[in-house]
Order: sequence, then C-alpha cells, then structure tokens
Amino acid sequence: EAQVTQNPRYLITVTGKKLTVTCSQNMNHEYMSWYRQDPGLGLRQIYYSMNVEVTDKGDVPEGYKVSRKEKRNFPLILESPSPNQTSLYFCASSQPGGAGELFFGEGSRLTVL
Amino acid sequence: GDSVTQMEGPVTLSEEAFLTINCTYTATGYPSLFWYVQYPGEGLQLLLKATKADDKGSNKGFEATYRKETTSFHLEKGSVQVSDSAVYFCALSDRRTSYDKVIFGPGTSLSVIP
Repeated sequence: EAQVTQNPRYLITVTGKKLTVTCSQNMNHEYMSWYRQDPGLGLRQIYYSMNVEVTDKGDVPEGYKVSRKEKRNFPLILESPSPNQTSLYFCASSQPGGAGELFFGEGSRLTVL
Repeated sequence: GDSVTQMEGPVTLSEEAFLTINCTYTATGYPSLFWYVQYPGEGLQLLLKATKADDKGSNKGFEATYRKETTSFHLEKGSVQVSDSAVYFCALSDRRTSYDKVIFGPGTSLSVIP
C-alpha cells in the first residue's frame, strides 16, 4: 500500500529536549516536505527536499532542521523545542511535476511544555 | 505573493443539504487549484483538482470549477452525508518556480448532522 508514515503520532516533551519526528514514504517520490498545521493558519511549509541531499527552507523554518540522506526518509529535527512549536505536523511527498498532488502522512501532534 | 482565501467555518449542515464552500485565490501566473479533505485524525488527501481555466474537478459527488475571471474555485455538493464531516482546504500550486509549491487556505470545518 502506497503511504507516508510518520512517527511518533503523539508526543509530549519539555522545552529544550531534542526530538526527531521521522517520515518515510514507499512511493519512490523525489519531493518531500514538512508542514505544520495551526488553528486559523492552515498549513505552513517548514522545509522541503527536491531529492537526496537537496533541502531548502519553506515559509517557517526557524527552530527546525531536516536531512535527506535517503530518498524514502525525511526526518524533522527540533534541536531545542519551545512551546511555540506545539503544533500538528505533517509530512508529504510527491513526484516533481505532480502539479501539487501531495500525499500526506497521518500527522504527528507535538506538545512542548 | 500567491495566497488562498476561503470562507470561515465551522459550517454545520443537515444531512442531504446543499454545500458550498467559497474559495478565492491570488496568483500572478496560471496556478493549478485543489481541494484537499482532512477527516478526523487523518492526514490530508486530495479531493479534486483543476489545472486550467474553466476546468471542472469532481470526485465523490463534490465539484469545483476553475473560474479565472473571478479567481475562484468554490466547492459544491448537492447532498451532503454525515460521512462528509471533515475539514476542507482549498489550495493552489505555483508552477512558476522550479518545484510545485502548494499554498493552502486556512481550512473550513464542516459538520453534517443526521
């Protein structure tokens, strides 16, 4: 089954404790992206990757890091989480030229105390 | 820059009612337009799309027509069901850049009551 898998689905952590949210896709997609979803703001792009070893900032990259060492994986790293990073996070993938047809994971709800 | 505006929710309808969710966009090029749906506890999934002016996207009884003259892409369904309760996102894809950046509206929450 074609899918994008994120882990963990739910996480409560404390300010400053480094964490990683993993994302893996099995569709051989070149393009991957991270979004955060906040009430009233819709989805905002954090980082994206066009292919292995190619990453770039989205609209709200502050406080986040990513890496793309393999085509299927695109982890999101919060080096020193803060309460304003409490949010619902989505990983998505697509083929270049897919004209906006994104495939989303189920989301990771993060709470930073 | 490009942007998407959609009607504020939440929207509550009775089963079998007619649904319209308004969406307008701002773009300097010729974007592709989308409606994504997010069911409770799930990620977003593509509902329908239109890639050029006057195209009509349709799926699961939902329809939307790409209106360039009014820069709109309103979502409609003739008879909603309880299972249509979800959050609906209007979005556009900017093909001017080297990748397909997708810009989302804020989402409209729909609740359908029996």
